Amino acid sequence: DAGVIQSPRHEVTEMGQEVTLRCKPISGHNSLFWYRQTMMRGLELLIYFNNNVPIDDSGMPEDRFSAKMPNASFSTLKIQPSEPRDSAVYFCASSLELDSNQPQHFGDGTRLSIL
Amino acid sequence: AQSVTQPDIHITVSEGASLELRCNYSYGATPYLFWYVQSPGQGLQLLLKYFSGDTLVQGIKGFEAEFKRSQSSFNLRKPSVHWSDAAEYFCAVGAKNAGNMLTFGGGTRLMVKP
Repeated sequence: DAGVIQSPRHEVTEMGQEVTLRCKPISGHNSLFWYRQTMMRGLELLIYFNNNVPIDDSGMPEDRFSAKMPNASFSTLKIQPSEPRDSAVYFCASSLELDSNQPQHFGDGTRLSIL
Repeated sequence: AQSVTQPDIHITVSEGASLELRCNYSYGATPYLFWYVQSPGQGLQLLLKYFSGDTLVQGIKGFEAEFKRSQSSFNLRKPSVHWSDAAEYFCAVGAKNAGNMLTFGGGTRLMVKP
């Protein structure tokens, strides 16, 4: 079975550019989560969706960050404009449903470097 | 608010030795507890989970963890470590009725000596 698929695996871009990270959750999973991992702050939940609707975006650091889920099989996390401090590994995870004992399944992440 | 503490940032053990990684959580009700492993350049893989019932849970790769409510702990154990177990390990607590949101500990990096 295909797991959570993220693209690109690596992204290097100059500050000020727009960055778009993509995620395809596991088929049939209704919940999708975006995390950011850095050495200083560890794993942070940025936003999560249920049935394509954003439920909690309190972890999104600034208005430069936005996330969408136009359908059940695709989500994007966008940073515009990007800054060097946004450099991190961004993970997407999905689970069957919220408020259940279903675990989250993680993608391999996108390693983002902003120069 | 829930929180998770992994007191050991780094641990080094010899191959074949036993392993225990500590995890302490703070949560007002019965938590959902998870251990994930992350190999370099990879995402997080679920090792095991506790929701209810038997407090000793078995996971993949020979790992087990024990939920101790009185100590607010969920320590991960393995009787004999293999070199391939070298990775970073994350404990996480999930909040029931809060979207199953996970709060992660800071991680413990395990190194295995030959």
